[in-house]
Order: sequence, then C-alpha cells, then structure tokens
Amino acid sequence: EIVMTQSPATLSVSPGERATLSCRASQSVSSNLAWYQQKPGQAPRLLIYGASTSATGIPARFSGSGSGTEFTLTISSLQSEDFAVYYCQQYNNWPLFTFGPGTKVDIK
Amino acid sequence: EVQLVESGGTLVRPGGSLRLSCSASGFIFSNYAMHWVRQAPGKGLEYVSAISSNGGSTYYADSVKGRFTISRDNSKNTLYLQMSSLRAEDTAVYYCVRRTTAAAGGYFDYWGQGTPVTVSS
Repeated sequence: EIVMTQSPATLSVSPGERATLSCRASQSVSSNLAWYQQKPGQAPRLLIYGASTSATGIPARFSGSGSGTEFTLTISSLQSEDFAVYYCQQYNNWPLFTFGPGTKVDIK
Repeated sequence: EVQLVESGGTLVRPGGSLRLSCSASGFIFSNYAMHWVRQAPGKGLEYVSAISSNGGSTYYADSVKGRFTISRDNSKNTLYLQMSSLRAEDTAVYYCVRRTTAAAGGYFDYWGQGTPVTVSS
C-alpha cells in the first residue's frame, strides 16, 4: 500500500498571503496525484489532477507541482473562501487510491 | 450535468445491516468505475470500495472486507453498498465518487453530497 503524508497538519495564513502545502508518497506515483478541497459540511471538490492540471472552474491562484514522491499545492493569494482542508490522493495503483491525512488551512 | 445522489444512510444498531444507494445522472454510467469513500466525524477521507465499469472487478479496504459488498445496476444507473455486521467505527458520511476513465487519467472527478451512517445502540 502506498502511504501518503501531508505537511503541515495545520497552516495558519493571513488573507492575501501565499500558502504552500506538501504531499509525499511512500513510493513513486508518477504524476498520478490529485488535490481536493473540502469545506465544512461539504463534499470534497477536485482542484488539481495529474499533479499540475487544474480542474474545470478552479481559480488560477491554485497550482500544483511535483512528480514521483514529492508534490506541492500552492495557493498564490489566499481568499476567504480558500480556508478549508486540502487532501492529496494518489491514483497510480488500482484499486487502492490512498488519501493523505489532510492539511487544514485556517485564518491567521 | 453530472449528479451523484446518495441515499440510505441512517442510524443502525451494532451488528445490523444497511444498503446505501447512489443514483447517477448526466453521464453514461456504464462507462465509469465507481467508488465509495467515507469520512468519520472530524476525520479524514478513507477509501472504502471500488467497482469497475461493468461490475466485473471489485475492491474492498481491509477494514470492511467480508462485511461490505459493492455492486451496480447499469440499467438503473445506480451504485450500491451493502453493509453488514456494522460496527461503531463504521460511523461516517459515505460518499459516492466517479472515477474518470483510464484514458482521461483515472482520478476522482465527481463526488456526491454524502449520506450519513451512524452505528450506535
């Protein structure tokens, strides 16, 4: 099983600042890495797939990078609606597509 | 518009059974693998089960293997999760999730709104 880890667990950021979230896989997942955003009481929403491709309708301030085992989600200028929990997920190994434990981005 | 609507979640006693349903619309259901993902209160996302587009292949997390059964009826555009021998630790919101085709990448692109299951006496 591929284990996904995320850091930090919580990130406190002021509106307008840049946020950088990390995700690491226990073995290479190539570029088969997705990022999801989840707000309280809502289902997760796809932000990024293929490690760096934005999903439809996702604002340009969200960007992803990385390959292999190290990945980054960057939010260039945090807006109020971006405070949420962010999960990474590898989908390299059918059928066990494991999630990371999440990073909570909250207001500083 | 792609829609996934779960139903069937409720309060159930430990050891009991429950069947969740997910009604799909807005896409050709039989072309897509489908998954169930759950989230315990205040916790992260846990991958539970998967089924291939034609139902011929299934997968279960170790935590539910032997107790849960995933199935689908492509004629009814519906995904199911039969849950038995339920435990308190199965308490969670259960999400129905569509996976894109392998050619498109194979990631999870659409999620339902979730249905809550509470296992308690």
